[in-house]
Amino acid sequence: AQKITQTQPGMFVQEKEAVTLDCTYDTSDPSYGLFWYKQPSSGEMIFLIYQGSYDQQNATEGRYSLNFQKARKSANLVISASQLGDSAMYFCAMRGGLASGGTSYGKLTFGQGTILTVHP
Amino acid sequence: DAGVIQSPRHEVTEMGQEVTLRCKPISGHDYLFWYRQTMMRGLELLIYFNNNVPIDDSGMPEDRFSAKMPNASFSTLKIQPSEPRDSAVYFCASSLSGLLEQFFGPGTRLTVL
Repeated sequence: AQKITQTQPGMFVQEKEAVTLDCTYDTSDPSYGLFWYKQPSSGEMIFLIYQGSYDQQNATEGRYSLNFQKARKSANLVISASQLGDSAMYFCAMRGGLASGGTSYGKLTFGQGTILTVHP
Repeated sequence: DAGVIQSPRHEVTEMGQEVTLRCKPISGHDYLFWYRQTMMRGLELLIYFNNNVPIDDSGMPEDRFSAKMPNASFSTLKIQPSEPRDSAVYFCASSLSGLLEQFFGPGTRLTVL
């Protein structure tokens, strides 16, 4: 079974500073994918960044980067130069790979989320 | 390009009534997912389809819930009869292959009185 843990219910950061949102995962699948989504107060789910388990380099997308430490089973999201518009709920998610077989392939398991508040 | 489209955006109904939620995935996407989000349980996968075929419905709470995908551009999630504990935001998402990111619709906020 796959499990995602986000241990920070809430985080605060000053505008223009960097912040790290923690995510740890558990899976026995050798191939998997890790995703981060943002959910602002308006409610939509916005895809931010993806990391494949076999990717050699950490994923980056603009101000977002994923600090992937495979041995520690962690996939922390780093947001650089925080902006007021970054205030939102952030979800880490994992999907199984082809080795999951059957019905696990393609399924996303989400963590409980971290509420990020950016202060001016 | 249009994203995932869901309707209605808000639904208020009385206990015992039938509720039908609708979803149009992004054109060309072959995976479609239905999620439910509540404060208590977070985001839960209810069911997902690949090429219009249901692959895993283990997340469907009970027989009152059913989902169909009659073609590649339309899916429904039906609750009959509805109960107050079904109140939640229901998201539809689609993806191009099971490996890639899922794109979510705006959600349907369901309130069952």
